[in-house]
Amino acid sequence: NAGVTQTPKFRILKIGQSMTLQCAQDMNHNYMYWYRQDPGMGLKLIYYSVGAGITDKGEVPNGYNVSRSTTEDFPLRLELAAPSQTSVYFCASRLTGELFFGEGSRLTVL
Amino acid sequence: AQSVAQPEDQVNVAEGNPLTVKCTYSVSGNPYLFWYVQYPNRGLQFLLKYITGDNLVKGSYGFEAEFNKSQTSFHLKKPSALVSDSALYFCAVRDRQTGANNLFFGTGTRLTVIP
Repeated sequence: NAGVTQTPKFRILKIGQSMTLQCAQDMNHNYMYWYRQDPGMGLKLIYYSVGAGITDKGEVPNGYNVSRSTTEDFPLRLELAAPSQTSVYFCASRLTGELFFGEGSRLTVL
Repeated sequence: AQSVAQPEDQVNVAEGNPLTVKCTYSVSGNPYLFWYVQYPNRGLQFLLKYITGDNLVKGSYGFEAEFNKSQTSFHLKKPSALVSDSALYFCAVRDRQTGANNLFFGTGTRLTVIP
């Protein structure tokens, strides 16, 4: 019973590098989300998707891109990484009610 | 605009004593309200939710929360705290009327249960 799976768990990037955080869910949920968590700031929504082929910006989308080609997968792309993107990233999904979260991806940009 | 306030960054309680973690919210319509718990280096886990109906909601691990519309609050409670309850707790709200897809989170309250 995998739920929401995120990879990688940890990554260190140099300024200006790019990378993709992977997220997959096996619950056939339509809604998927990417949040970032910074100390003392709670969770901020980066992007979300209401179904395959449909994505929309959240509160803090700058510097990120997403795609949703299948119901299962919702990758988050970081272009030209900056120190301000050092954070813990959480992917989540839902059907109608509560969110189900992945274990998180800790990204450090140096 | 939607928002959630958790006025206490830290709550300390002795094992066996009742605990309360406070949450107030602001939405333009009627709210969906949620509590999540986060253990170190883990994702958030769902505890309970208020959708409609009875104002007292019971959830996982003996937690409950009371929806108070007049005070716009949704405080998390437990009659007898356990050391294993020590974690970071998040309150969250979504506006039912607008159908907003975002769940707005509070900044979190760190609960420490002292043996």
